[in-house]
Amino acid sequence: GAVVSQHPSWVICKSGTSVKIECRSLDFQATTMFWYRQFPKQSLMLMATSNEGSKATYEQGVEKDKFLINHASLTLSTLTVTSAHPEDSSFYICSASPAFGTGEKLFFGSGTQLSVL
Amino acid sequence: DAKTTQPPSMDCAEGRAANLPCNHSTISGNEYVYWYRQIHSQGPQYIIHGLKNNETNEMASLIITEDRKSSTLILPHATLRDTAVYYCIVKNNQGGKLIFGQGTELSVKP
Repeated sequence: GAVVSQHPSWVICKSGTSVKIECRSLDFQATTMFWYRQFPKQSLMLMATSNEGSKATYEQGVEKDKFLINHASLTLSTLTVTSAHPEDSSFYICSASPAFGTGEKLFFGSGTQLSVL
Repeated sequence: DAKTTQPPSMDCAEGRAANLPCNHSTISGNEYVYWYRQIHSQGPQYIIHGLKNNETNEMASLIITEDRKSSTLILPHATLRDTAVYYCIVKNNQGGKLIFGQGTELSVKP
């Protein structure tokens, strides 16, 4: 099956710094990727839809200036958490599909655990 | 997208079939039923999806009722590695977003 690679797997940073998370589709092209956030013992919450070559679409309540998304190519989307604070500590997960929108399945990265001190 | 209702938790004996129910009474005609699972601290894994016919693959079987208002995911011979949170999601086939509910936490016990 298709593979989505996410990097890094975990990151620890100081409060006020920015952190970039990469999501790559390794063996397919993805015009659309999705970013999720998950707090302990909770379900995944969709943050934004990343569209190649255009601006991302953010879900209600998600600050677009804090969570910067760039989808510069058909195989790479990045999420930058700017000026991170302890409340941003969470598990971030990306997903993509080689044929999204046609009833096909999404493939997920392995997630990035962010800890802000 | 339509919402789903799942029991919060279930237990299953190792080697037995695990039957995970899902209610989606407001599902629309063009919405598929998807099942994913998430093992602790990993990204979700696709299991199976279907529109109205029953489906089977190497991982599981999906039984969808004739009125499409509910479905059951069947793991025929559960193993300890099947312990995970299982999510039932309905989504249209026209770029609809995959919205996760609370899922069912399945514990497979020896």
